[in-house]
Amino acid sequence: SQKIEQNSEALNIQEGKTATLTCNYTNYSPAYLQWYRQDPGRGPVFLLLIRENEKEKRKERLKVTFDTTLKQSLFHITASQPADSATYLCALQTGANNLFFGTGTRLTVIP
Amino acid sequence: DADVTQTPRNRITKTGKRIMLECSQTKGHDRMYWYRQDPGLGLRLIYYSFDVKDINKGEISDGYSVSRQAQAKFSLSLESAIPNQTALYFCATSDPTSGSIETQYFGPGTRLLVL
Repeated sequence: SQKIEQNSEALNIQEGKTATLTCNYTNYSPAYLQWYRQDPGRGPVFLLLIRENEKEKRKERLKVTFDTTLKQSLFHITASQPADSATYLCALQTGANNLFFGTGTRLTVIP
Repeated sequence: DADVTQTPRNRITKTGKRIMLECSQTKGHDRMYWYRQDPGLGLRLIYYSFDVKDINKGEISDGYSVSRQAQAKFSLSLESAIPNQTALYFCATSDPTSGSIETQYFGPGTRLLVL
């Protein structure tokens, strides 16, 4: 069966450290992989997209990697800040153009 | 979030009642989606519409129906609500002019409780 797993339901890190979130998938062949941020009581907000033929993408303090052999994406937040505390969702897009979402990882950055 | 609005934001209803959740968008996007979010299950697609005349079932459409009244409006109905439809419901839009990339823009959500 198709499955998208995000490494842990919750992750706590100290301010200033790098947070690394993992998204693993099985039985998908995604053309794109996206990361979204969701704050409590709000809808998800798009952060970054990486294509299947790209290894790495960066945006300010964010970095995403995509390994189609391992079927895994890593999402890094460097120099983390308490304002980065949120739930982060990965989403796979297949050729059918719909998105399939993981369950999310709740990140807490401790001052 | 202001570009995609959902009403109501919170709703409590009783088993067997018919309710409608509404979504409006000012982004000018053709594609609209309804998802539900449950703890531990993530976002799951209920229905989607690629234009006014196009309606498609998603992963979990049973017990739900939709109406695309205009490009900007997409409504979700629960014909006879049941307690396991208690969830957070999101509407989303996307822009096909961006090519094949499906970046989606979400509304603020409707929290539904079915007693």
